[in-house]
Amino acid sequence: NAGVTQTPKFQVLKTGQSMTLQCAQDMNHNSMYWYRQDPGMGLRLIYYSASEGTTDKGEVPNGYNVSRLNKREFSLRLESAAPSQTSVYFCASSEASWDNSYEQYFGPGTRLTVT
Amino acid sequence: AQSVTQLDSQVPVFEEAPVELRCNYSSSVSVYLFWYVQYPNQGLQLLLKYLSGSTLVKGINGFEAEFNKSQTSFHLRKPSVHISDTAEYFCAVSDGGFKTIFGAGTRLFVKA
Repeated sequence: NAGVTQTPKFQVLKTGQSMTLQCAQDMNHNSMYWYRQDPGMGLRLIYYSASEGTTDKGEVPNGYNVSRLNKREFSLRLESAAPSQTSVYFCASSEASWDNSYEQYFGPGTRLTVT
Repeated sequence: AQSVTQLDSQVPVFEEAPVELRCNYSSSVSVYLFWYVQYPNQGLQLLLKYLSGSTLVKGINGFEAEFNKSQTSFHLRKPSVHISDTAEYFCAVSDGGFKTIFGAGTRLFVKA
């Protein structure tokens, strides 16, 4: 099992360029998430998908779009990158366990720099 | 609304010393509480979780946390740290649904 995989690991964009961050999980989880991590701010939820076919905005959705392509894959798109989107992006997945908790499993992250 | 406050942004400690990382939460409903650890250049992984029952929860790598409902706290402790414990630690809260709120993180530096 690879768990949660993300591509690319690193990316440098110029302001105004677009790109898509890819995420896939092989744990058959229903829920998937995109977070950004900035120094001193912890993890902030950008978008989430409770199950295949649904997506919802999180805390900081502006400037991003998502696609839940199938149960395994959840992509994050930046249509017109801005320097404020320089961050580390994490994808995660979860499923209700026997105790009804939703432990999240994280990918290794994508370090994005927008110049 | 739920929220999580980690009271220390950085905690330096010498190897083999005890450590406590502090976390307070607020929630209007019953909560699930978590501690996650992030080693350098990696994603987060679960250290331990509290759902109900005993207020002392044991996790991996010798860490434990104590749930205190009256003080709305969930502090993480380890009696003797190692260099390899150097990482960032995140406290998190959930109301039992699939969304989790994370704290800002505490960087633990273990010095030789």
